[in-house]
Amino acid sequence: AQKVTQTQTSISVVEKTTVTMDCVYETRDSSYFLFWYKQTASGEIVFLIRQDSYKKENATVGHYSLNFQKPKSSIGLIITATQIEDSAVYFCAMREVSSGSWQLIFGSGTQLTVMP
Amino acid sequence: DAGVTQTPRHEVAEKGQTIILKCEPVSGHNDLFWYRQTKIQGLELLSYFRSKSLMEDGGAFKDRFKAEMLNSSFSTLKIQPTEPKDSAVYLCASSFWDRDSYEQYFGPGTRLTVL
Repeated sequence: AQKVTQTQTSISVVEKTTVTMDCVYETRDSSYFLFWYKQTASGEIVFLIRQDSYKKENATVGHYSLNFQKPKSSIGLIITATQIEDSAVYFCAMREVSSGSWQLIFGSGTQLTVMP
Repeated sequence: DAGVTQTPRHEVAEKGQTIILKCEPVSGHNDLFWYRQTKIQGLELLSYFRSKSLMEDGGAFKDRFKAEMLNSSFSTLKIQPTEPKDSAVYLCASSFWDRDSYEQYFGPGTRLTVL
């Protein structure tokens, strides 16, 4: 069965530093997509970045990058030069390609607080 | 382009009432999802439509929850009858189906409180 686990409930960092949020997933599918979403205090959920399972290169978008370790079924989100406005809940999600289901399976989220 | 629109943003209902939540997906998107978000359960899928056809219906939610896609640009979620445990944020998301891509775009959500 597919499952996404985020063990870090909350993280606090000082602004301008780098933070890594962990995510591990379970799947029997050989092809899948991994996503990170951000939910702000207002409740808005925004797509950040995606990693395709068949790609070896780690995805990078702006100051977000991924640490994809396929043998460990791990997809970490790295935020460099954090800003106060990065404070939010970050969700990891997965979609299997061949399971027949098109839904995203979400982790429980990690609350990031960026302090001045 | 306008994003996903949801109305109302807040809804308060008495136990036993029928409520209808509305969603307009991003223009041109052919996949639409309804999720429920609570602190305890997190994000749970309620229903999923592709080109107006119901593809998945969350097993735990079939009883009192009914989602419909009246046309490609409008969907409703009916909860009948409401119970206090239904208090949650209901999120609508849409996506353009593409085998090589699958970002979902979320609406602002409807916060439902059932008294």
